[in-house]
Amino acid sequence: KNEVEQSPQNLTAQEGEFITINCSYSVGISALHWLQQHPGGGIVSLFMLSSGKKKHGRLIATINIQEKHSSLHITASHPRDSAVYICAARGGGSNYKLTFGKGTLLTVNP
Amino acid sequence: EPEVTQTPSHQVTQMGQEVILRCVPISNHLYFYWYRQILGQKVEFLVSFYNNEISEKSEIFDDQFSVERPDGSNFTLKIRSTKLEDSAMYFCASSVQGLGSPLHFGNGTRLTVT
Repeated sequence: KNEVEQSPQNLTAQEGEFITINCSYSVGISALHWLQQHPGGGIVSLFMLSSGKKKHGRLIATINIQEKHSSLHITASHPRDSAVYICAARGGGSNYKLTFGKGTLLTVNP
Repeated sequence: EPEVTQTPSHQVTQMGQEVILRCVPISNHLYFYWYRQILGQKVEFLVSFYNNEISEKSEIFDDQFSVERPDGSNFTLKIRSTKLEDSAMYFCASSVQGLGSPLHFGNGTRLTVT
């Protein structure tokens, strides 16, 4: 059974700061998803990655398969980045099931 | 941009009643999923659906739950006899090619069982 852990649980930053959110998982996976959940509850997919690094705008996601670890970075953070960021892993022999972390609540103050 | 749409946004029902949550996935997507999130807890996988059948389900998805794609566009989750602990946000998602492609989520249906 895959366990997905995120840190920190809560993160408060000032506008413009560089943000890092970490995700670790316990068993080998085939892909890892980073998701964003806004206060209204809706979930948006940010990245899906199985190796290396992906970048989209100010967001960067990296994964280290050997260390079973992924990070989500936000450069030049902005108050509109305030949300819950969730990592979710696919693996353990399953093609369809995602195991989710608890999420990191990010608050960016102006 | 195409969206996954879910209706209703909020459903209140009495314990023991049947509820049907509705989802319209993105039209060219082939894989469909239901997830739930109890307030303050992690998102949990319920079921995946492909080619008109369940491809995988979690231990949460017991005999009280069923899914259906009745008309080629809607994807429904039925809870036969609701319990208080079924109160949660239910998210539908779809993808083009299983979990090898990005997931697109609906905005969720908040189910409150009283």
